[in-house]
Amino acid sequence: RKEVEQDPGPFNVPEGATVAFNCTYSNSASQSFFWYRQDCRKEPKLLMSVYSSGNEDGRFTAQLNRASQYISLLIRDSKLSDSATYLCVVYHPNTGKLIFGQGTTLQVKP
Amino acid sequence: DADVTQTPRNRITKTGKRIMLECSQTKGHDRMYWYRQDPGLGLRLIYYSFDVKDINKGEISDGYSVSRQAQAKFSLSLESAIPNQTALYFCATSDPGGEAKDTQYFGPGTRLTVL
Repeated sequence: RKEVEQDPGPFNVPEGATVAFNCTYSNSASQSFFWYRQDCRKEPKLLMSVYSSGNEDGRFTAQLNRASQYISLLIRDSKLSDSATYLCVVYHPNTGKLIFGQGTTLQVKP
Repeated sequence: DADVTQTPRNRITKTGKRIMLECSQTKGHDRMYWYRQDPGLGLRLIYYSFDVKDINKGEISDGYSVSRQAQAKFSLSLESAIPNQTALYFCATSDPGGEAKDTQYFGPGTRLTVL
């Protein structure tokens, strides 16, 4: 089993739609969680950090469920510019390393 | 100017050649990382360094070596390149004590093709 698992998609949604991605992690000792956005052939960039139960930033909401060991990302009112790959990332405090999911691809269509 | 830079941005080489990828950062972070990304596999850690005197292997270090020349510089070498090392390579930095703790900041990537 992978340490961090995501549905690779692709998710194809119309503009204005609400879309949610889920991510599960296997190490219960993980403390910090992130969603990164990666555009095609570009570097990953931090979208949101999740240190407690959740975080909200405009149209984006991340939630953490420690008991079930999953993190979700909700995007409301999707824009064409939201089209990208979204990486779920988990920090391991014992090793100081980030573990990346393989990413979920979102394509927002007009 | 970018905080994390990588050179070269693109490189095509032949099997058996020695290749060095360089990473520089102006963020003042102690921690630096090298990843490779392959389609469908996500980002995988090759090597990481928590300070100038510290070097650690990641999950896929075979065939690679690194050098931490200074706090700001971390180089990745392929001593004898092979075709399955064709990938997109990213350097990253982090500051565990900073406000955005555990967050990693990535360079723009180096696209390496080994023929």
